[in-house]
Amino acid sequence: GEDVEQSLFLSVREGDSSVINCTYTDSSSTYLYWYKQEPGAGLQLLTYIFSNMDMKQDQRLTVLLNKKDKHLSLRIADTQTGDSAIYFCAESGKNNGQNFVFGPGTRLSVLP
Amino acid sequence: SQTIHQWPATLVQPVGSPLSLECTVEGTSNPNLYWYRQAAGRGLQLLFYSVGIGQISSEVPQNLSASRPQDRQFILSSKKLLLSDSGFYLCACKGQGKTDTQYFGPGTRLTVL
Repeated sequence: GEDVEQSLFLSVREGDSSVINCTYTDSSSTYLYWYKQEPGAGLQLLTYIFSNMDMKQDQRLTVLLNKKDKHLSLRIADTQTGDSAIYFCAESGKNNGQNFVFGPGTRLSVLP
Repeated sequence: SQTIHQWPATLVQPVGSPLSLECTVEGTSNPNLYWYRQAAGRGLQLLFYSVGIGQISSEVPQNLSASRPQDRQFILSSKKLLLSDSGFYLCACKGQGKTDTQYFGPGTRLTVL
């Protein structure tokens, strides 16, 4: 069945780069997504990548996709304290694209 | 772009009491609608989804039910709350296209005492 896995915690120093990793099992996903959840809030779509792309860059965010290994990563350059949040990876292959499968979320802590 | 409203924002209810959480969507028509629950420090659990008025699919057996009386209204209910129903409830919407993105509301924090 569909499954998305992420490491649960990541700590980095302010100004360093953060890399959040995700693996998924459903190869039929057209898009793969990264969402950000700040404390007490809903999920905010950060970025997404089309499944036939290897990389997408958007300002401080870089998404890398290794489709062969079903591995997705999110790199945040020059990490700031405002980047502290939970980051969810999601794939959209379930039920012909109607349902997303989310990973457990990676809690990013940015240390001063 | 669509906007998703949820209310109430927070709710404290005693065990055994009923529940009604509401989600409404603006800026889109005929969306897919979803209810998720997020336990403290945990990931998202899909509870229900709906592809149209009156059409509800349940992902997990539970104490809750959902209804969609109007195209852009999705309601989560319970007749008798359990302690284990505590959590953060998120409503989401998505267009019906295969490549449409899912967007989330601000959530309702429910505490059952």
